[in-house]
Amino acid sequence: EPEVTQTPSHQVTQMGQEVILRCVPISNHLYFYWYRQILGQKVEFLVSFYNNEISEKSEIFDDQFSVERPDGSNFTLKIRSTKLEDSAMYFCATGLAAISYEQYFGPGTRLTVT
Amino acid sequence: AQTVTQSQPEMSVQEAETVTLSCTYDTSESDYYLFWYKQPPSRQMILVIRQEAYKQQNATENRFSVNFQKAAKSFSLKISDSQLGDAAMYFCAYEYSGGSNYKLTFGKGTLLTVNP
Repeated sequence: EPEVTQTPSHQVTQMGQEVILRCVPISNHLYFYWYRQILGQKVEFLVSFYNNEISEKSEIFDDQFSVERPDGSNFTLKIRSTKLEDSAMYFCATGLAAISYEQYFGPGTRLTVT
Repeated sequence: AQTVTQSQPEMSVQEAETVTLSCTYDTSESDYYLFWYKQPPSRQMILVIRQEAYKQQNATENRFSVNFQKAAKSFSLKISDSQLGDAAMYFCAYEYSGGSNYKLTFGKGTLLTVNP
């Protein structure tokens, strides 16, 4: 069964450093999402991406964040200058909205900012 | 803005028994989807069940079923014949189906413990 994959599974970085989190969507999916879950809290929407552009972003997704599909397959989330409060689990999700409204989640990347 | 409320931070159930997890939501829209996602200790989010708001019939998936009350904006999950593998955090989620993207709005979750 096709699945969404994410790398790395765990990333430790120092405050102020840039990180790139990577996601490989299910091949025929058209809609891509990033969600964040701070430990012990609910999952929060960050951004949605369709047709090579951001379709919606939350107030969390400020200028420090960016997303792209650099090669038409990977879907990346970049945090330019990490802060301690960026420590969280980051989930990529993808969907084929034309047929199903289900979003398929990847296993997540745990980001620890020290 | 849509909100999803799960009023039970934790629940426990005996193996083989039935448990119901509560969820209420607030929206002004009439077309939407509701979901229950399971998050086991591995942290990966797994879809348990989905309900389309335009359908009056409650969704069922094997041992999992929902009680969808659209007027009351209530969407509870019933797990029958609970198994040890059902132990996880359960998130209720809402998705507006009338826009151009389909972001999920989650509740805070209910941690389900299954006792042998």
